[in-house]
Amino acid sequence: DQQVKQNSPSLSVQEGRISILNCDYTNSMFDYFLWYKKYPAEGPTFLISISSIKDKNEDGRFTVFLNKSAKHLSLHIVPSQPGDSAVYFCAASGTSYDKVIFGPGTSLSVIP
Amino acid sequence: GAGVSQSPSNKVTEKGKDVELRCDPISGHTALYWYRQSLGQGLEFLIYFQGNSAPDKSGLPSDRFSAERTGGSVSTLTIQRTQQEDSAVYLCASSSPGLGNTGELFFGEGSRLTVL
Repeated sequence: DQQVKQNSPSLSVQEGRISILNCDYTNSMFDYFLWYKKYPAEGPTFLISISSIKDKNEDGRFTVFLNKSAKHLSLHIVPSQPGDSAVYFCAASGTSYDKVIFGPGTSLSVIP
Repeated sequence: GAGVSQSPSNKVTEKGKDVELRCDPISGHTALYWYRQSLGQGLEFLIYFQGNSAPDKSGLPSDRFSAERTGGSVSTLTIQRTQQEDSAVYLCASSSPGLGNTGELFFGEGSRLTVL
């Protein structure tokens, strides 16, 4: 039973355009949501997070939107750059003390 | 270094042998996770240690898998009688959860296990 879903295995975007990566979750007890980025042969690195008391969090080119009623969040990258090409994982937990569950990832390719 | 350290970085073993993978978390981090990523797959949760609480072992795929965390620091993931389907990258992460803290996970670079 996959609690965190990323239904798009891959996404291709032109440099300079917006990249939108989507994530859905099934567990209504999740309160913290995180996005991680992973390059080949490296461990994932933290990008941005949001707690359920907010519906938006922005950090530079990265913005995460949370729609708790729809159990949906998205990561927007504007403008997209070739260096953003990586696998992006959505993750969620109940509290900061709970285990973190990851989605299957979306591979983003930003085309120069 | 200051990051999460995993060893070995690569391990090739024969089917049926036991393997041990080691993780040195960031000093002071109370939470430690093991995940694995099989080829073309996402991050599969294996086990979670948090402070002195009993570990959450709900992700271990079989009783051939076990993990220990000694002294609240270093952790060892042991796979007994390895099978070819155990081939994957095993990732360790640590965090310092707390009130008002999202408990961001810091990952090591992983141990790539190949079972022949």
